[in-house]
Amino acid sequence: KQEVTQIPAALSVPEGENLVLNCSFTDSAIYNLQWFRQDPGKGLTSLLLIQSSQREQTSGRLNASLDKSSGRSTLYIAASQPGDSATYLCAVEGWGGKLIFGQGTELSVKP
Amino acid sequence: NAGVTQTPKFQVLKTGQSMTLQCAQDMNHEYMSWYRQDPGMGLRLIHYSVGAGITDQGEVPNGYNVSRSTTEDFPLRLLSAAPSQTSVYFCASSYIGGAGMNTEAFFGQGTRLTVV
Repeated sequence: KQEVTQIPAALSVPEGENLVLNCSFTDSAIYNLQWFRQDPGKGLTSLLLIQSSQREQTSGRLNASLDKSSGRSTLYIAASQPGDSATYLCAVEGWGGKLIFGQGTELSVKP
Repeated sequence: NAGVTQTPKFQVLKTGQSMTLQCAQDMNHEYMSWYRQDPGMGLRLIHYSVGAGITDQGEVPNGYNVSRSTTEDFPLRLLSAAPSQTSVYFCASSYIGGAGMNTEAFFGQGTRLTVV
């Protein structure tokens, strides 16, 4: 059974710091891995999608990597801002669009 | 495009009542799915569909029914609500990309359900 784990569960950093969020999964048979952002009381917004054949994706200050063989992904956020404060979720996708989520990392960026 | 639309946004039910959570997408996506989000449990898959007329169970299907008569709509039915079904429910959709590469998932804003 696929299991997804995110470390750390919570993170508080001062504005301007670069930071790394970690995601690990137990079964490498995935279609892709997605990183989402969730603001309190809101839905999920897709940040980055890495196909199983890819190693990384970049969008602005965000960079996500994927190492399928070791079952790991990292989300790198450069020059963090208070507006980055949110919960970040990673999910691996199997057949049929099914997503298995980690528990999330709650990020707080202090001004 | 409106994306994925869920209704209602909030609902309070009494134990034993039934209701339907609505989900509609206007992106012509083949895949649709329902998740529930609970504190400490993350998001868990309830049911999913790979196209009109095709549905299957996810990780936590008990107490829920689904059907998909059109590509656009994927309602979730609670037949007899229980306090354990108090949760935030999210609907998502995505489509099959080229060469078997699926696309990013789009989520609705959620339905916050309380069963008393």
